[in-house]
Amino acid sequence: EVQLLESGGGLVQPGGSLRLSCTASGFIFSKYAMSWVRQTSGKGLEWVSTLTYGGESTYYADSVRGRFTISRDNSKNTLYVQMNSLRAEDTAVYYCAKSDSGDVEDAFDIWGQGTMVSVSS
Amino acid sequence: QVVLTQSPSASASLGASVKLTCTLSSGHSDYAIAWHQQQPEKGPRYLMKLYSDGSHRKGDGIPDRFSGSSSGTERYLTISSLQSEDEAHYYCQTWDTDIQIFGGGTKLTVL
Repeated sequence: EVQLLESGGGLVQPGGSLRLSCTASGFIFSKYAMSWVRQTSGKGLEWVSTLTYGGESTYYADSVRGRFTISRDNSKNTLYVQMNSLRAEDTAVYYCAKSDSGDVEDAFDIWGQGTMVSVSS
Repeated sequence: QVVLTQSPSASASLGASVKLTCTLSSGHSDYAIAWHQQQPEKGPRYLMKLYSDGSHRKGDGIPDRFSGSSSGTERYLTISSLQSEDEAHYYCQTWDTDIQIFGGGTKLTVL
């Protein structure tokens, strides 16, 4: 079964850091671009970041550029996002998503179940 | 930059059909999109990729009741024989150079 499983969410103080992980199974992880998407309570989906299948190129939303770093370990079938200088407005459920192809510019065809990040003092 | 516009809400009766719309901003009529469903308290689920010519490719296990079509800058999701479990938010997604874009979503209520 094709599956994405996020972990690492939790409560963190403003200015703090957190690293989320997304473990993939059921497909050849190293062949696909991967992304993080977030959703604040009761609101819509917001793209956060995308990484090419080999990890050479990264792309970020303006709201997180310079604070978040996306990475992957293809030997472990795992996607990461390191979130630094966290703000209250980063509070959201974070989903990882698989691209339909190796291209970064493509549909998301598999989603994880999400992990909650709360930034509060 | 491309923008996707969706109506905030829609409703239809159990067993009926409904057509949801996602509108691409002017000048982007050749863009493909994807439709995603998000049921309450769940993560999104990919429904289909929909191209400008109306052709579409559905995700694994998506029922035949779900179909897509296109006209100009409009992308449609039609759900027939509505069931209670179709009550959900529906989001469209597209992609441009180095960026992903989502519409604001449509909350579908099944009456």
